[in-house]
Amino acid sequence: AQSVTQLGSHVSVSEGALVLLRCNYSSSVPPYLFWYVQYPNQGLQLLLKYTSAATLVKGINGFEAEFKKSETSFHLTKPSAHMSDAAEYFCALTDSWGKFQFGAGTQVVVTP
Amino acid sequence: DTEVTQTPKHLVMGMTNKKSLKCEQHMGHRAMYWYKQKAKKPPELMFVYSYEKLSINESVPSRFSPECPNSSLLNLHLHALQPEDSALYLCASSQEEGLAGYNEQFFGPGTRLTVL
Repeated sequence: AQSVTQLGSHVSVSEGALVLLRCNYSSSVPPYLFWYVQYPNQGLQLLLKYTSAATLVKGINGFEAEFKKSETSFHLTKPSAHMSDAAEYFCALTDSWGKFQFGAGTQVVVTP
Repeated sequence: DTEVTQTPKHLVMGMTNKKSLKCEQHMGHRAMYWYKQKAKKPPELMFVYSYEKLSINESVPSRFSPECPNSSLLNLHLHALQPEDSALYLCASSQEEGLAGYNEQFFGPGTRLTVL
């Protein structure tokens, strides 16, 4: 069975500080991994995806994530938080049938 | 055009009403999805259509009835809903179903449904 675990349901960061959102996965086959962001009352927007081409993946809005097979992790980072980064973030994994497994989500709060 | 559109944005209905949610994409995607999302939770898959045929039904109650009239449109017909069905309903599409790596899903903004 495949699964995604996001560590921390809430993260509070100061504006300008590093944003680090943790995602660990379990998969019996090479995974395809995604990070999505959801702003209040909106749909999900793709931030970035890992498809085995490169372990360090750069996405939109200054976010990036690193795939570490040895640690079964795909953590999301942004060097400097902005107020507009306040949102819900979901890590997701897809299996060979294309069914998404979403993590529980991490709510990011950015304080001035 | 990389957009998935959904109408209406908000819907309030009684338990005896019949209503429909609509979803449209013009990216040439052949897989379309319906998700239900409760507050502070991840989306839960309801249905998958692939090449206009129902591919996956995640044991959804029959008061939810999906329809895919053509490759660009996806409907969700609602009848005799319960208050616990109140949620954000998200539509998504992807290039193909399966074929991991080609199934990045594009989401619409959702329909906020309230059942009274």
